[in-house]
Amino acid sequence: SQQGEEDPQALSIQEGENATMNCSYKTSINNLQWYRQNSGRGLVHLILIRSNEREKHSGRLRVTLDTSKKSSSLLITASRAADTASYFCATDVDNAGNMLTFGGGTRLMVKP
Amino acid sequence: EPEVTQTPSHQVTQMGQEVILRCVPISNHLYFYWYRQILGQKVEFLVSFYNNEISEKSEIFDDQFSVERPDGSNFTLKIRSTKLEDSAMYFCASSDTGGATQYFGPGTRLLVL
Repeated sequence: SQQGEEDPQALSIQEGENATMNCSYKTSINNLQWYRQNSGRGLVHLILIRSNEREKHSGRLRVTLDTSKKSSSLLITASRAADTASYFCATDVDNAGNMLTFGGGTRLMVKP
Repeated sequence: EPEVTQTPSHQVTQMGQEVILRCVPISNHLYFYWYRQILGQKVEFLVSFYNNEISEKSEIFDDQFSVERPDGSNFTLKIRSTKLEDSAMYFCASSDTGGATQYFGPGTRLLVL
């Protein structure tokens, strides 16, 4: 797989349910960032987790990082229709000039 | 809340023409980036810029591309002779330090005909 691959590619849930998206990567990282993108719009930063951190919370978002498995997960609790968007993980790889490598994203649809 | 701004929001150009995409990064940020996203594809890194020079660039960022910080607020991406395959959404981003959160602008949608 490529650096920063999300799983699943698409997820459809009912409002109020939790949504979990996973991201896998291949090389050593400085940090991993999650972004959200509404269709055809800009990228909104959600959360950054550093390589020495295991879990971070921000409101209804919970991000975990397992560097031994080279994977991260984004959990959105009590989802709302307004959470419908694409979610991307992006890795900041060691010694790579702070470039972010994005995955292909998970398209989340939350049905009212 | 400070944000990255980009102009224009949309640009249509003829193949072979030069385009300049403009960005105003967040004011106290020192690191600047350009990314692009071809429709339906991943966001791809183009270039990072710090201390008035390029710190990293991708294979996409060939001799047709250049970046400049002409003054204390603007950061520009120039494509010298556009190709059809340059059609994409171009995002500017900035961060206050290396390895920090990168804040993205709303993007410029470039269409090359």
